[in-house]
Amino acid sequence: GDSVTQMEGPVTLSEEACLTINCTYTATGYPSLFWYVQYPGEGLQLLLKATKADDKGSNKGFEATYRKETTSFHLEKGSVQVSDSAVYFCALSDGRYNTDKLIFGTGTRLQVFP
Amino acid sequence: GAVVSQHPSRVICKSGTSVKIECRSLDFQATTMFWYRQFPKKSLMLMATSNEGSKATYEQGVEKDKFLINHASLTLSTLTVTSAHPEDSSFYICSARDPSDSGSTDTQYFGPGTRLTVL
Repeated sequence: GDSVTQMEGPVTLSEEACLTINCTYTATGYPSLFWYVQYPGEGLQLLLKATKADDKGSNKGFEATYRKETTSFHLEKGSVQVSDSAVYFCALSDGRYNTDKLIFGTGTRLQVFP
Repeated sequence: GAVVSQHPSRVICKSGTSVKIECRSLDFQATTMFWYRQFPKKSLMLMATSNEGSKATYEQGVEKDKFLINHASLTLSTLTVTSAHPEDSSFYICSARDPSDSGSTDTQYFGPGTRLTVL
């Protein structure tokens, strides 16, 4: 079945460092890909998404490119801030039907220190 | 973007009692909502898909009689944890899609979650 694999955390960075969180997927079709972020004590928020190959999703300085050839959707940010500390989840969804499930990776905790 | 709310945000109950959690879509109608459970420092586990006007579809290993789901209207789904025990303590999160948003029909919007503690 479809699945998502994320790098294990925690990822610990100093402020203004570059961030990459790896995400690869396995899917039979052509899924939509998502990054969700969960701040401490809160629910998930959509960070960015891409719906087809070579699409780039971007938001709040974060970017991820849908790479069909490598089945990847790595999350990147050029300069992280302390406020970016959170858990980041990569996910996929077939998206053709309203009842389609989201399949999540295990999440990667990011800790940014001043 | 679409907004999903949950109530309550936190609940503490005694073992053996039942707890109801509400999930509402505030500015759109959701024919389908999803209920997840999140264990500490773990990913989200889909428990069930809630369908308005029909029975919920439960994931393998989730007890239907333990976790009762009712999707009574296009804006409200409820999860009732029956005869709760300490092992049911967890973070429960709901989500929904906005089918009227043509640009984001594949996007799920999540509620803020409900932390259940069973003593």
